[in-house]
Amino acid sequence: SYVLTQPPSVSVAPGQTARITCGGNNIGSKSVHWYQQKPGQAPVLVVYDDSDRPSGIPERFSGSNSGNTATLTISRVEAGDEADYYCQVWDSSSDLGVFGGGTKLTVL
Amino acid sequence: QVQLQESGPGLVKPSQTLSLTCTVSGGSISSGSYYWSWIRQPAGKGLEWIGRIYTSGSTNYNPSLKSRVTISVDTSKNQFSLKLSSVTAADTAVYYCARLIAARPTYYFDYWGQGTLVTVSS
Repeated sequence: SYVLTQPPSVSVAPGQTARITCGGNNIGSKSVHWYQQKPGQAPVLVVYDDSDRPSGIPERFSGSNSGNTATLTISRVEAGDEADYYCQVWDSSSDLGVFGGGTKLTVL
Repeated sequence: QVQLQESGPGLVKPSQTLSLTCTVSGGSISSGSYYWSWIRQPAGKGLEWIGRIYTSGSTNYNPSLKSRVTISVDTSKNQFSLKLSSVTAADTAVYYCARLIAARPTYYFDYWGQGTLVTVSS
């Protein structure tokens, strides 16, 4: 089955830019979606189809996808962005959903 | 605004069947290009997709759980349900229901329930 690999943790100072990667075999040929999960809460969709933002998600959140790596970029990081972030794709060959292992973003 | 709410027992004995229901409000479960899905998350771990259902009753399941999982839908009640049989401690997790957007060939989850903790213990 298709495997997505994320770094366990990323740390960034407030006001700086955080980049969270999601690796997968030829992931650039798939659409990647990103979720933010704060402690004790359900995940929230922050980017879909590689780079689109749902209504209400700040423009600071953006995404890109090429080759074997997709990236969620959070600009001008705020303390409130501290959370776990998960990438997700749909494995069309098996017709099933796949999540990355998640990345904990720490705001220093 | 679509809302989803999980309900069901918080404690299940080993070898028994876990049963959860997700009630959808703010919209019809039968409208649009939507599927309905279950996802779980063991404490301190990542998200695991369990399966999905369309209102026609068509289902897809995670191969790792397929032999034990049944997802069904009741459009008259605007609900869909999860049954997981022969549970063990490894099935202890927070279980989420979610709406799955069909943007073929991809799918993504746009609305989630708050989640419900199910503990498997005697």
